[in-house]
Amino acid sequence: GENVEQHPSTLSVQEGDSAVIKCTYSDSASNYFPWYKQELGKRPQLIIDIRSNVGEKKDQRIAVTLNKTAKHFSLHITETQPEDSAVYFCAASPYGYSTLTFGKGTMLLVSP
Amino acid sequence: NAGVMQNPRHLVRRRGQEARLRCSPMKGHSHVYWYRQLPEEGLKFMVYLQKENIIDESGMPKERFSAEFPKEGPSILRIQQVVRGDSAAYFCASSLRQEPGNTIYFGEGSWLTVV
Repeated sequence: GENVEQHPSTLSVQEGDSAVIKCTYSDSASNYFPWYKQELGKRPQLIIDIRSNVGEKKDQRIAVTLNKTAKHFSLHITETQPEDSAVYFCAASPYGYSTLTFGKGTMLLVSP
Repeated sequence: NAGVMQNPRHLVRRRGQEARLRCSPMKGHSHVYWYRQLPEEGLKFMVYLQKENIIDESGMPKERFSAEFPKEGPSILRIQQVVRGDSAAYFCASSLRQEPGNTIYFGEGSWLTVV
């Protein structure tokens, strides 16, 4: 089955800096890659996703890149703000299914 | 439009008791997923159901755990004879269709504590 590795496990940045979180996946059949943000005690919320037919997608301060050859994808947050502090999860989904395999998460701390 | 509704939000059970977690998907959604999140870990897929059918239960422990999604009413995740290792957050999610890229919406979760 699919295996998703996520790095780093924790990331501390100063407000205004950029943050990058990287994930790799193992199943070449995966073709959907969402990113979720989870605040303490809350549900995971989808922040951005990318499908395998594109290499990059951007939504305001958030962008995701995908390299299918290398089987890795990354989340980029620019101009970070304290409210960006949360745990971020990447996930992958194989063709034909909506079930997701998640990475272990990255705790992002943005200091004012 | 109400989101995915889960109850109870918090549940405390003694070892050996049963836990029942309920999930009502978003209106119009017929695909339900259960995920488990252990402390400081990612979400692990447990089971995928459609109305009256279990489609994929490859992530479900073979013993003590069961899930159903009846024709009427919410989906239920049932854990029999709970042990301390079952303490976790259980998230239900739903989607409109079953295909890659179809957004999965999560509920607020049910936090199970086994004492």
